[in-house]
Amino acid sequence: EADIYQTPRYLVIGTGKKITLECSQTMGHDKMYWYQQDPGMELHLIHYSYGVNSTEKGDLSSESTVSRIRTEHFPLTLESARPSHTSQYLCASSSPGQVYGYTFGSGTRLTVV
Amino acid sequence: GESVGLHLPTLSVQEGDNSIINCAYSNSASDYFIWYKQESGKGPQFIIDIRSNMDKRQGQRVTVLLNKTVKHLSLQIAATQPGDSAVYFCAENMPLPERGSQGNLIFGKGTKLSVKP
Repeated sequence: EADIYQTPRYLVIGTGKKITLECSQTMGHDKMYWYQQDPGMELHLIHYSYGVNSTEKGDLSSESTVSRIRTEHFPLTLESARPSHTSQYLCASSSPGQVYGYTFGSGTRLTVV
Repeated sequence: GESVGLHLPTLSVQEGDNSIINCAYSNSASDYFIWYKQESGKGPQFIIDIRSNMDKRQGQRVTVLLNKTVKHLSLQIAATQPGDSAVYFCAENMPLPERGSQGNLIFGKGTKLSVKP
């Protein structure tokens, strides 16, 4: 059972709304990540964090922002949702020296109408 | 069944047959590789990993082969079962010297495995 939780699992929201996708992990991992997964299945890194007060942009440009005030919590915020933001968002965490790579949450499927 | 070329988006195999999923990675400096399985509605789950100083690693019904010469990774699943139906991703870790050994994983495009009963 993965110890990383994402809420909500599904979200349908109107254009222009502000939304926050939640991600929490109970493993004490330092690094956390947000991926956007498009219908073609490829994962694109949009944000990551090395630890508290650290946030970095990933390889794919995103209009979202993240914060890391606590080790276990890494929320992603969209200030003004647009239909182009419709996608699956996956959160993951890892620990330096962890030999099993990343632990992923179950994802949030976002639909902006 | 076997995926051919660098990447095949879908692979269909008969239950009980062996499956081979191929992946080409991009960085010769990558030191660690992982295969993930993603079932419908779930996040990717770890299957097996291999370090760059190895050529082969076996798990339960799964084997990963690494060919560094051609930057190629493969996942072999023995006696494929319906529960193996999923999307499979390879991922490579390229180390960042300023951050120790762990960089960010780079994921390949997935291959959707369908198992016919």
